[in-house]
Amino acid sequence: DTAVSQTPKYLVTQMGNDKSIKCEQNLGHDTMYWYKQDSKKFLKIMFSYNNKELIINETVPNRFSPKSPDKAHLNLHINSLELGDSAVYFCASSQRLRDKETQYFGPGTRLLVL
Amino acid sequence: SQQGEEDPQALSIQEGENATMNCSYKTSINNLQWYRQNSGRGLVHLILIRSNEREKHSGRLRVTLDTSKKSSSLLITASRAADTASYFCATDLTSGSRLTFGEGTQLTVNP
Repeated sequence: DTAVSQTPKYLVTQMGNDKSIKCEQNLGHDTMYWYKQDSKKFLKIMFSYNNKELIINETVPNRFSPKSPDKAHLNLHINSLELGDSAVYFCASSQRLRDKETQYFGPGTRLLVL
Repeated sequence: SQQGEEDPQALSIQEGENATMNCSYKTSINNLQWYRQNSGRGLVHLILIRSNEREKHSGRLRVTLDTSKKSSSLLITASRAADTASYFCATDLTSGSRLTFGEGTQLTVNP
């Protein structure tokens, strides 16, 4: 009965590889997000989808490609991983984008690029 | 881009004491939210205060908002060791389309 789940929890990979992180929410929310948290705990939004439509796309390298097959899922694919991609990636969801209400976060995916 | 700035960056207190954390921001907001992040976990929403509200309570939490000073404070009363975590404020800007998170205050409550 987890609200927002992410897989995998840990991801260790070599530079240059391609990897995906999956996110699912069972809250019936319309909006989902991807955040990146760096080593200083600074949380920065990357993408936001509302009803499978891309709403927010921050200045993220195009090696990062989100995909939302349905409004309960938002996956993140990363091509040609670089050392600087090492961080914790959080998925989140909220009921409505317009009102920007409470966001519910997943447990995070700790990505380490070697 | 504007973001909330928490103060202090780190706070260490004894169990039973009160903990106060502050957040300042630069432009008009619709609401301001506080989140907690335990080590190795995701963020958990604590409380939301709207721009037309001045104070809000939830259990041992008290949040104030002063829109004239563009600042908010989070007070945790009678702290417990389990309150040890990072606390983030997030601002919903009137001009923006997303929440903007501050850099957080690391609270340590010593038993």
